[in-house]
Order: sequence, then structure tokens, then C-alpha cells
Amino acid sequence: DAGVIQSPRHEVTEMGQEVTLRCKPISGHDYLFWYRQTMMRGLELLIYFNNNVPIDDSGMPEDRFSAKMPNASFSTLKIQPSEPRDSAVYFCASEGLAGDMNEQFFGPGTRLTVL
Amino acid sequence: AQSVTQLGSHVSVSEGALVLLRCNYSSSVPPYLFWYVQYPNQGLQLLLKYTSAATLVKGINGFEAEFKKSETSFHLTKPSAHMSDAAEYFCAVSERQGGKLIFGQGTELSVKP
Repeated sequence: DAGVIQSPRHEVTEMGQEVTLRCKPISGHDYLFWYRQTMMRGLELLIYFNNNVPIDDSGMPEDRFSAKMPNASFSTLKIQPSEPRDSAVYFCASEGLAGDMNEQFFGPGTRLTVL
Repeated sequence: AQSVTQLGSHVSVSEGALVLLRCNYSSSVPPYLFWYVQYPNQGLQLLLKYTSAATLVKGINGFEAEFKKSETSFHLTKPSAHMSDAAEYFCAVSERQGGKLIFGQGTELSVKP
């Protein structure tokens, strides 16, 4: 398996623009997590899904952020409109209880810069 | 509510010296505990995990951690540091399988030649 795949790896955009981050979890995994990493706040969970259903979105900072998981192999995190304070590295992770129990596998991250 | 505290945002050791990275947790239920490592510009990789089996957990790259309930600690150790161990290390806690991870602030490990 190729692991968790995220795209793009780097994104530079201007304030006010829409940004869409993409994630392909490991095949067969039931859980998908979106995290944000910044120097100031460390690693924060934004939202997670189980079987494509959002379970906990309490970490989503505000209405500008939205996440979807239309099927088991794809998820998006959208920011509209983007602001400079959204600049961070965004990680996607997946976990499968049937196989690798209690291990979240992380993607390489998307480094977002909002100018 | 769960929380994790990592003592020391930066730790520096000499090559060959003992590595000790400290982690204390707070949890209202028996926790699952994890140590992850992050190399520059990469995602997180699991080093080891505690899931209520043996209290001394061995992980990859010669690391191990001991769960001490009385001290609510899960410190990470390695007997002899290698230059390739230089990275950021995160301790994390979860209430259950498939649950969200709560991460500590991370400890950056530097290894001097």
C-alpha cells in the first residue's frame, strides 16, 4: 500500500481565495482524521470520520472550514475564504480497527501558506 | 478531559548517551498511549504504543517506554542516542480505539556528535 496520500504537498494562495486539500486514506481503513500543525498551537485535531460519517468536528476553527468524505477512499478539507492565520501544515491520518489496531497512519502533510 | 504534557520542548544529548523524553498524561479512563516521531518536512510515524498489555513497551529504532499508572507517566527512553534520532517527538493519548488522539506539544531532540 502507498500509505496515506495527500495533495497538494505545498499550496501558496492569497487571502480570500478558496483552498481545497485532498486525502486518500489507506485502503480498508475505517477512520480518517484531519489535523493542523502550527508552531503556536502544535498538533490539533480538526475533524474525524468513521465509515465516511463525521463523528467529531469540534476542532474545526470556524465556518470557513469544511470537510467531506464522499466515499471510503477520498476526503477533502476546504477553507473558504482563506486567511493568513490559516497558514499551517495540514495532516490527514487513517486508522483501521480490523487490521492495524490503535495506530493512526499519517500522510506527508500539505504545507499551506496564505499571503 | 484528556491531556498530555511533555516536559521540555528541547532536549539535547551527546551521541551514545541516554535519551529520556518525558510525558505525563491525564485521562478519566484507562488510556491508550503513543509516541510518534516527526522528521523534518515529514508526517508522523508511530514509534510505539501502550494498549493495556505489558507496561514496558518496545518500539522501533531501539526506543522503549514504560507506562506508570501511579505517576501518570509514559516516558520514552533509548539507551544510546544516534545522530539519526534527531527529530521531534510527540506523546499522545486516546480514550479508545478509533478515537481521536490528543497530542503533547512535542519535544525536539538534538544529538551532538
